[in-house]
Amino acid sequence: KQEVTQIPAALSVPEGENLVLNCSFTDSAIYNLQWFRQDPGKGLTSLLLIQSSQREQTSGRLNASLDKSSGRSTLYIAASQPGDSATYLCAVPNTGGFKTIFGAGTRLFVKA
Amino acid sequence: DAGVTQSPTHLIKTRGQHVTLRCSPISGHKSVSWYQQVLGQGPQFIFQYYEKEERGRGNFPDRFSARQFPNYSSELNVNALLLGDSALYLCASSLGIQETQPQHFGDGTRLSIL
Repeated sequence: KQEVTQIPAALSVPEGENLVLNCSFTDSAIYNLQWFRQDPGKGLTSLLLIQSSQREQTSGRLNASLDKSSGRSTLYIAASQPGDSATYLCAVPNTGGFKTIFGAGTRLFVKA
Repeated sequence: DAGVTQSPTHLIKTRGQHVTLRCSPISGHKSVSWYQQVLGQGPQFIFQYYEKEERGRGNFPDRFSARQFPNYSSELNVNALLLGDSALYLCASSLGIQETQPQHFGDGTRLSIL
């Protein structure tokens, strides 16, 4: 049974810091891994999708890496800004691909 | 292009009532999935529909049901509401099944049970 864990659960950093969010999964036979952002009371915004054949994806100040063999992914945020404050979720499809399994998320607060 | 749209945005019901939530996927997307998210947790999978057929079901009681229409929009129905059904209900659409396609989420329906 696939389980997804995110560490830390919450993080508070000063503006301008580079930071890393961690995601681990128990079953390495994944098709892809997706990182999402969720603002309070809102839906999920897709940030990056990494296919199983890829090692990393970049979008602006965001870089996500994937190491299937160790069951880990990291989301790197460069030069953090107050507008980056949100909950960040990682998710993987289960074997068979009909559902997506989410971690509980990391709540990020960037102080001005 | 419009994203995934859900209605209503907020809903208040009492225990024992039933509720219908609606979702319109992104144009051209044939897969719709439903998730329940309680405060402080990640979304939990409820259903996936692809080409109007149920392709997957999560660990939810039979009080939860869904369907997908010919235009690929979808409804989630919950009967005999319980206090524990209070949550944010999210709908996601994708071009196909989830092995390779990214999912796009709506803003959700906030359901409160009194």
